[in-house]
Amino acid sequence: DGGITQSPKYLFRKEGQNVTLSCEQNLNHDAMYWYRQDPGQGLRLIYYSQIVNDFQKGDIAEGYSVSREKKESFPLTVTSAQKNPTAFYLCASSLFGRYSNQPQHFGDGTRLSIL
Amino acid sequence: GQQLNQSPQSMFIQEGEDVSMNCTSSSIFNTWLWYKQDPGEGPVLLIALYKAGELTSNGRLTAQFGITRKDSFLNISASIPSDVGIYFCAGGYSGGGADGLTFGKGTHLIIQP
Repeated sequence: DGGITQSPKYLFRKEGQNVTLSCEQNLNHDAMYWYRQDPGQGLRLIYYSQIVNDFQKGDIAEGYSVSREKKESFPLTVTSAQKNPTAFYLCASSLFGRYSNQPQHFGDGTRLSIL
Repeated sequence: GQQLNQSPQSMFIQEGEDVSMNCTSSSIFNTWLWYKQDPGEGPVLLIALYKAGELTSNGRLTAQFGITRKDSFLNISASIPSDVGIYFCAGGYSGGGADGLTFGKGTHLIIQP
């Protein structure tokens, strides 16, 4: 089945540690996105990528980094510079890039907590 | 980034009641999307609207693209327990030079027994 796979489902981070969240899609979509969701805050865009080897900062990129070496994969690293990382992280993809009206399809999320 | 005004923020209803929620924007869109998110899961696309005035149904769900292109409405008829969740609207514009999808903050639907 085509879809977006996020792993792990739950992740714990120690102080000063970097952690990486995985996102893989087999929909052959060009664009991929990372969102952060906090209670009552809706979805906030962290980073997005329209094509391989290119990505752009979203609204809350500080303390995060990404790479897009393959079309299917868009991992997100939460660095130690992100002082409040506890949240639900969602990865999404769409057929074309962000400057379009294509529907985005979401993975099932990763819940990150601080130990 | 821009946010849509989605209302109400939460709804407490009885099973069997009809539900209405809406999204408004100061900017025009040429696409409106409605998603549902179950607890601990990612949002799932319910309905996509691509034309002003369009009315589209998906089972007990009906959504409309406002004729001003600045709003959209979602109705759920005869609610059932599995309708519980958070409903998000999203607006999109394909004209170039504008940001992609803009999401509302969600309407939390709670069904009381």
